[in-house]
Amino acid sequence: SQQGEEDPQALSIQEGENATMNCSYKTSINNLQWYRQNSGRGLVHLILIRSNEREKHSGRLRVTLDTSKKSSSLLITASRAADTASYFCATVDRGSTLGRLYFGRGTQLTVWP
Amino acid sequence: GAVVSQHPSWVICKSGTSVKIECRSLDFQATTMFWYRQFPKQSLMLMATSNEGSKATYEQGVEKDKFLINHASLTLSTLTVTSAHPEDSSFYICSASRLAGAYNEQFFGPGTRLTVL
Repeated sequence: SQQGEEDPQALSIQEGENATMNCSYKTSINNLQWYRQNSGRGLVHLILIRSNEREKHSGRLRVTLDTSKKSSSLLITASRAADTASYFCATVDRGSTLGRLYFGRGTQLTVWP
Repeated sequence: GAVVSQHPSWVICKSGTSVKIECRSLDFQATTMFWYRQFPKQSLMLMATSNEGSKATYEQGVEKDKFLINHASLTLSTLTVTSAHPEDSSFYICSASRLAGAYNEQFFGPGTRLTVL
């Protein structure tokens, strides 16, 4: 049920630095979503960007979407140690009636104090 | 709002026994519920999609007789792992979906850690 590829698989930065994660997908989508997962926990929805949107902001998060390249990026600015988690992108295909999500492999972000 | 719970949060069982995991949408009625499993350091793999009152749709490679799904109401779905074996040890996550405008919004439960000895 995977279709996306996240890049990089792992990212290690210092507090205060920005973290950028990329996601590529293969199909025509209705929307793309980013989720966060702390170790051993459930998923937390971060942000949704529709196929007709190019950029979206939420607090320290900035998401871009390039449907021509079938790619998205998640930027976390001024990162904190509490941002340490796995981040997944997930897409919903255009025309999907159930809203089934196709998850990428995820990026493990570690933010050092 | 939009809270999904799972019970139990963790379970340890002996090989050959069956384990039931519950997924509840606490404050909304879910049109559809999804069951995923996740191995360590890997992504979520969709196991099945279930709608209230109908049979679940299983993904390719998922044994429907081993992973029994019952969707009794718009707020409750259960996953039963029958005759569990050590290779069934995994993190099982459910999500509940509701229509939000033009798209279906999924809300995830906190997951259930299953360990089969």
